[in-house]
Amino acid sequence: DTGVSQDPRHKITKRGQNVTFRCDPISEHNRLYWYRQTLGQGPEFLTYFQNEAQLEKSRLLSDRFSAERPKGSFSTLEIQRTEQGDSAMYLCASSLYRGGGRDTDTQYFGPGTRLTVL
Amino acid sequence: DAKTTQPNSMESNEEEPVHLPCNHSTISGTDYIHWYRQLPSQGPEYVIHGLTSNVNNRMASLAIAEDRKSSTLILHRATLRDAAVYYCIRRYSGGGADGLTFGKGTHLIIQP
Repeated sequence: DTGVSQDPRHKITKRGQNVTFRCDPISEHNRLYWYRQTLGQGPEFLTYFQNEAQLEKSRLLSDRFSAERPKGSFSTLEIQRTEQGDSAMYLCASSLYRGGGRDTDTQYFGPGTRLTVL
Repeated sequence: DAKTTQPNSMESNEEEPVHLPCNHSTISGTDYIHWYRQLPSQGPEYVIHGLTSNVNNRMASLAIAEDRKSSTLILHRATLRDAAVYYCIRRYSGGGADGLTFGKGTHLIIQP
């Protein structure tokens, strides 16, 4: 078990450019989550997948954001036409959901991708 | 997930116990309390969770009040490595988004 990995760890881009982040979850985990964290705040939930299905999306996930998990393994988060307000740490987490309630759903976080939009 | 209330910061000395409080006065009967912590420059990590009874694991203990309106995370012997932001999270069991709802947490400072 190598944990959740994210790539890249840092990304600097100019306003208006598109960026894509990748998350590799713990291999047997069926759920994958994306969060965004700005300085001094706790992480904010963006979206999550169970296998390849995207089951929930937060209101924070504007139409410039899209996430995919095509084969139920790794996931990508793309931000189109980046804005300075998109500057944040983007965190990915995974969990093994066995059903039966939320207490079974311990989430394991990656180190995050820090995005800076100039 | 609904709101919890925590102090913004707390300070403790190394090798002493730390009690981190959390209020969740509107909790319902089947909501769990989860604690995560975030070390500097890292993603959050799971610490412990519970429903009604006190819980212990290798990292910490969780004491839940009898009326379940508050809980306390206990670090029995703090080390410098325990300096982090600690988040108390109510896991709503009634449906809705499955993401964790983090507040601002408690910034724990450990003095050597």
